[in-house]
Amino acid sequence: QKEVEQDPGPLSVPEGAIVSLNCTYSNSAFQYFMWYRQYSRKGPELLMYTYSSGNKEDGRFTAQVDKSSKYISLFIRDSQPSDSATYLCAMSDPAYGGSQGNLIFGKGTKLSVKP
Amino acid sequence: NAGVTQTPKFQVLKTGQSMTLQCAQDMNHNSMYWYRQDPGMGLRLIYYSASEGTTDKGEVPNGYNVSRLNKREFSLRLESAAPSQTSVYFCASSEAGQGVSSNTEAFFGQGTRLTVV
Repeated sequence: QKEVEQDPGPLSVPEGAIVSLNCTYSNSAFQYFMWYRQYSRKGPELLMYTYSSGNKEDGRFTAQVDKSSKYISLFIRDSQPSDSATYLCAMSDPAYGGSQGNLIFGKGTKLSVKP
Repeated sequence: NAGVTQTPKFQVLKTGQSMTLQCAQDMNHNSMYWYRQDPGMGLRLIYYSASEGTTDKGEVPNGYNVSRLNKREFSLRLESAAPSQTSVYFCASSEAGQGVSSNTEAFFGQGTRLTVV
């Protein structure tokens, strides 16, 4: 049930650029939308978490969810070399597999921010 | 606070050998998961355990078995390793809730890099 699409990149930007990362999905039952960040040779860690539609801001990061278009975005302002990582979107359908909260991941977008 | 701990971190197996990947979490989470991550494929769920005493298949369960030993520990076993199982394996845990108020943040371990030759 791979219902999440994400451009794998790679994406290379200069330091200070605004970065836009996106995912599309097909399952209208998804309720929770997340962005995970994964540094090289590390496990993913949660970056942003949004329930249903709308925007959420945390420092230089903004997550947007448009459920009508089945489209989610992560914006990074004033990007830094330390933002270089793979960014994975993830979504949750409470009915998936009979257990509330299993995550379905996009393939991840590899971002490189050049000094 | 260690979070999710996986052992071993690296392993090389010969085709046909068996091994068990260990995972333990200290966050008192109900749910635990095993994923594999391959280039271009993203994270794919192998098995999960919604709560102690239960396990269920995920997207790619063939060739694997799991055991939820207790609330803290969830192991993944490869009975007869194949080169197609060369991957990075991640264990994760989360606090599963009920209905639309679930907090589904998953905490991941550092991964086990497995090579089958």
